[in-house]
Amino acid sequence: QQQVKQSPQSLIVQKGGISIINCAYENTAFDYFPWYQQFPGKGPALLIAIRPDVSEKKEGRFTISFNKSAKQFSLHIMDSQPGDSATYFCAASSGSGAGSYQLTFGKGTKLSVIP
Amino acid sequence: EAGVVQSPRYKIIEKKQPVAFWCNPISGHNTLYWYLQNLGQGPELLIRYENEEAVDDSQLPKDRFSAERLKGVDSTLKIQPAELGDSAVYLCASSLGGRAHEQYFGPGTRLTVT
Repeated sequence: QQQVKQSPQSLIVQKGGISIINCAYENTAFDYFPWYQQFPGKGPALLIAIRPDVSEKKEGRFTISFNKSAKQFSLHIMDSQPGDSATYFCAASSGSGAGSYQLTFGKGTKLSVIP
Repeated sequence: EAGVVQSPRYKIIEKKQPVAFWCNPISGHNTLYWYLQNLGQGPELLIRYENEEAVDDSQLPKDRFSAERLKGVDSTLKIQPAELGDSAVYLCASSLGGRAHEQYFGPGTRLTVT
């Protein structure tokens, strides 16, 4: 059972454009939603994260939008650059209960930013 | 600050052979995780350690996989015997106690079983 569904699977954006990646979750116990960035041959790196008590969090060119009622969250990359080309994973975890602190990852989105 | 160190980076073995992966977490991180990442997929947790205790190993295939974290620092993940379907990237991550949501990953070991 996939608890975090991510789309699209791949994304091609022109330099300077906006990249948008969407995720949906099922488990209402999730209370932490991070995004990880992974370059080829590297491990995932924490990019930005949000808790459900806020609807938006912005760090530089990266913004998470969160819709608790719809159980959806998304990553927006403004002014996308070729250096942003990587695979992005959304994830979710809960701080209590069975499997607490276990990160459940989406399947990833391969982003290619073309000049 | 040094990141999570893993070795080897690549390993090619024949099926039915044993293999071991080593991980050195970030200094001071008492929580250590082993993940499996198949091609085109997100990481999947195999086992989580709090210091030297395995607190979540429910997804570790115990018939062929084993892990240990002696002295609560370095950890080793072993597969014996390896199967073709074990070909994947094995990732190690660590986090501070109380900040388990912020996990730092190593570069992984890419295992190919032929």
